[in-house]
Amino acid sequence: DSGVTQTPKHLITATGQRVTLRCSPRSGDLSVYWYQQSLDQGLQFLIQYYNGEERAKGNILERFSAQQFPDLHSELNLSSLELGDSALYFCASSVRWAEGEKLFFGSGTQLSVL
Amino acid sequence: GESVGLHLPTLSVQEGDNSIINCAYSNSASDYFIWYKQESGKGPQFIIDIRSNMDKRQGQRVTVLLNKTVKHLSLQIAATQPGDSAVYFCAENMASNTGKLIFGQGTTLQVKP
Repeated sequence: DSGVTQTPKHLITATGQRVTLRCSPRSGDLSVYWYQQSLDQGLQFLIQYYNGEERAKGNILERFSAQQFPDLHSELNLSSLELGDSALYFCASSVRWAEGEKLFFGSGTQLSVL
Repeated sequence: GESVGLHLPTLSVQEGDNSIINCAYSNSASDYFIWYKQESGKGPQFIIDIRSNMDKRQGQRVTVLLNKTVKHLSLQIAATQPGDSAVYFCAENMASNTGKLIFGQGTTLQVKP
């Protein structure tokens, strides 16, 4: 168990809908990362937050947004969902924000868009 | 662009043999590398890391080798066990002032009993 908690484990929804994925980082970790894993793209970095502030952005679509709350948990919001958004979404956390940090991953949320 | 690539998509080894998983990276500015193991239905699990000022690091049954000249990373697993069967990813972090990791496509390790 990595100590990173993600909910829900599975999510089935329809195209055009909006969903929220939730992540609680390991105790003491201030940085949260979101990754998308699909068969054809592998593990793709989406966005990083550190202590409530956006730290780095990857290939995150404009339809997607995230935030990190004062209690350090994070939410990833996916809207106007398309079939191609079906993927595993992972949250990871680390103590700080900079290079050389080990990232600890949660078990992921499997999103299926029908 | 940013990319980390793996030489072989699938590696099949006999139980008890040593395994070597290879990875090529393209960013010469990368200064930190990690190997992750992902089992079915689970998130990536940290195995071992290495910084660019080292060329070898050993853990329990695992060794990571870094060759900066040819931008190559390898993971050696000694006495491979059935529980080692998983997908293995290498990941790199550039000195980009963030902790974000760029992942390779992954290699599936199959251990035959």
